[in-house]
Amino acid sequence: DTGVSQNPRHKITKRGQNVTFRCDPISEHNRLYWYRQTLGQGPEFLTYFQNEAQLEKSRLLSDRFSAERPKGSFSTLEIQRTEQGDSAMYLCASSLQRGIDNEQFFGPGTRLTVL
Amino acid sequence: AQSVTQLDSQVPVFEEAPVELRCNYSSSVSVYLFWYVQYPNQGLQLLLKYLSGSTLVKGINGFEAEFNKSQTSFHLRKPSVHISDTAEYFCAVKGGSEKLVFGKGTKLTVNP
Repeated sequence: DTGVSQNPRHKITKRGQNVTFRCDPISEHNRLYWYRQTLGQGPEFLTYFQNEAQLEKSRLLSDRFSAERPKGSFSTLEIQRTEQGDSAMYLCASSLQRGIDNEQFFGPGTRLTVL
Repeated sequence: AQSVTQLDSQVPVFEEAPVELRCNYSSSVSVYLFWYVQYPNQGLQLLLKYLSGSTLVKGINGFEAEFNKSQTSFHLRKPSVHISDTAEYFCAVKGGSEKLVFGKGTKLTVNP
């Protein structure tokens, strides 16, 4: 399967712990995006990378959140000192920059539950 | 900044009936418009998109949408739904940056 993959698919953690999620984009895609989706809401943009450069960050991305894409391939999203409000589905997407048609392909998501 | 309003949070419909899912957007710049579908425990799949050109856009699974700039709408339609169309549908807009701004979603339930 050559789609976007995310690991783990589910994560349960206790409040105050750190968690890290991984996203592997479609191999030739140079853009990678992170979104967060809470229950009953649509996905909300967190950040995106073009190659290894982080080009845009949402104000939703507090200081406890950090994302990296060190070699322009896979990306990690770390949440430090998790809070119950961080419980959500974290979605990753990737796209290939080509003019105006930059369709974002989404992975299956990582569901985080903070107890 | 952009925003998206999906006017119906839930839409129940009988199999083989037509359906319309409504979407309105707000933006101070030109936008591109998208509809995504999300099946339970899965990621988002693109149904269709409007980038430019014809305002009537056809997508996968028999869905289509019409971009109406004067009414700032991008409603999704299907003339005859199937049980397998039961899912959550999200309208999204992109303008001025690479991020997608999503609506809250519409849960479509197709009953036999």
